[in-house]
Amino acid sequence: DTGVSQDPRHKITKRGQNVTFRCDPISEHNRLYWYRQTLGQGPEFLTYFQNEAQLEKSRLLSDRFSAERPKGSFSTLEIQRTEQGDSAMYLCASSPEGQFSTDTQYFGPGTRLTVL
Amino acid sequence: AQSVTQLDSHVSVSEGTPVLLRCNYSSSYSPSLFWYVQHPNKGLQLLLKYTSAATLVKGINGFEAEFKKSETSFHLTKPSAHMSDAAEYFCVVSGNYNQGGKLIFGQGTELSVKP
Repeated sequence: DTGVSQDPRHKITKRGQNVTFRCDPISEHNRLYWYRQTLGQGPEFLTYFQNEAQLEKSRLLSDRFSAERPKGSFSTLEIQRTEQGDSAMYLCASSPEGQFSTDTQYFGPGTRLTVL
Repeated sequence: AQSVTQLDSHVSVSEGTPVLLRCNYSSSYSPSLFWYVQHPNKGLQLLLKYTSAATLVKGINGFEAEFKKSETSFHLTKPSAHMSDAAEYFCVVSGNYNQGGKLIFGQGTELSVKP
């Protein structure tokens, strides 16, 4: 399977703990996006990378959130001092280089985070 | 700023009958529009996209959508529903070049298909 993969698929943690998620994009896709989806809502943009450079961060991405993409390959999203409001599905997507507005983004299965 | 509004949070149809999922968009420039589908416990899958070419766009699984600039609409249709079409559908507009192509999703429409 050469699609976008995410790990873990599910994470249950206690409030105040740190968690880290990983996303492996489709090979040779140089753009990588993170979105968050809460129950009953559409996904909301968090941040995106062009190769290893993080080019935009949403105001939804508080100081407790940090994302990296070392060497422009896989990406990690870390949440520090988790809160119950962080409970959501975290989605990763990748796209090839091209015109931004027309690029198809390919989504991974997501990581479902539950904060107790 | 770009936004999309999905006019129905839930649509229920009988198998074999037509499907219509409604979407209106707002954009300060010529937008790229998408429909994605999300089946339970599965990732988002692209159904179709409009990128300023033909206004009638055909997608996978018999779905199609028509871009109507005068109505700022991009409704999704299918002539005959199948049980496997039951899922959540999202209408999506792409941010402009300066926004790095981030996607802006509607709230979603849940499609139920009755036998």
